[in-house]
Amino acid sequence: DTGVSQNPRHKITKRGQNVTFRCDPISEHNRLYWYRQTLGQGPEFLTYFQNEAQLEKSRLLSDRFSAERPKGSFSTLEIQRTEQGDSAMYLCASSPDRGGGYTFGSGTRLTVV
Amino acid sequence: GENVEQHPSTLSVQEGDSAVIKCTYSDSASNYFPWYKQELGKGPQLIIDIRSNVGEKKDQRIAVTLNKTAKHFSLHITETQPEDSAVYFCAAGDSWGKLQFGAGTQVVVTP
Repeated sequence: DTGVSQNPRHKITKRGQNVTFRCDPISEHNRLYWYRQTLGQGPEFLTYFQNEAQLEKSRLLSDRFSAERPKGSFSTLEIQRTEQGDSAMYLCASSPDRGGGYTFGSGTRLTVV
Repeated sequence: GENVEQHPSTLSVQEGDSAVIKCTYSDSASNYFPWYKQELGKGPQLIIDIRSNVGEKKDQRIAVTLNKTAKHFSLHITETQPEDSAVYFCAAGDSWGKLQFGAGTQVVVTP
């Protein structure tokens, strides 16, 4: 499978716990994006990387959120001290160039109880 | 700020009929307009896209039109089939690749 891979697919956590998600992009894609999608809404931009450099972060990305992309390959998104409002689908996408078509992964569904 | 509005929110069509979804955007810097199809439990899948230097693009039963002056673009699906049932999202982006998505249209194709 050469698509975008996200793990885990589902995560249930208690409020206040930390969680980390992983995204493996298509290998030749140098851009990697994180989006969040809540029920009945379109994806909302969180952050993106050009290789290992994080180029932009949305205001949605509070101090409890951090994303990394060491060595410009896979990326991780960590949420500290989770809150119920963090419950959502977290989508990762990658693209080969500026403004090119994204390929999305299947997402990680986070439920905070 | 940046905003993409999409309508209708739900669309029911008979198999074989056409479906049209319309979007408007506010950021005049947007120059890339993709459409995504999302099935239950899956991530969005790119079905067609158009850039600002093109007014229309067609791929088999799917076509997209863009009116940059009016800041609106539309998705047209002809000869709809039950497998076209899904949620469709429009998006508008800048040259850096960040996309602003609409809220989605639930399309139901009834046999």
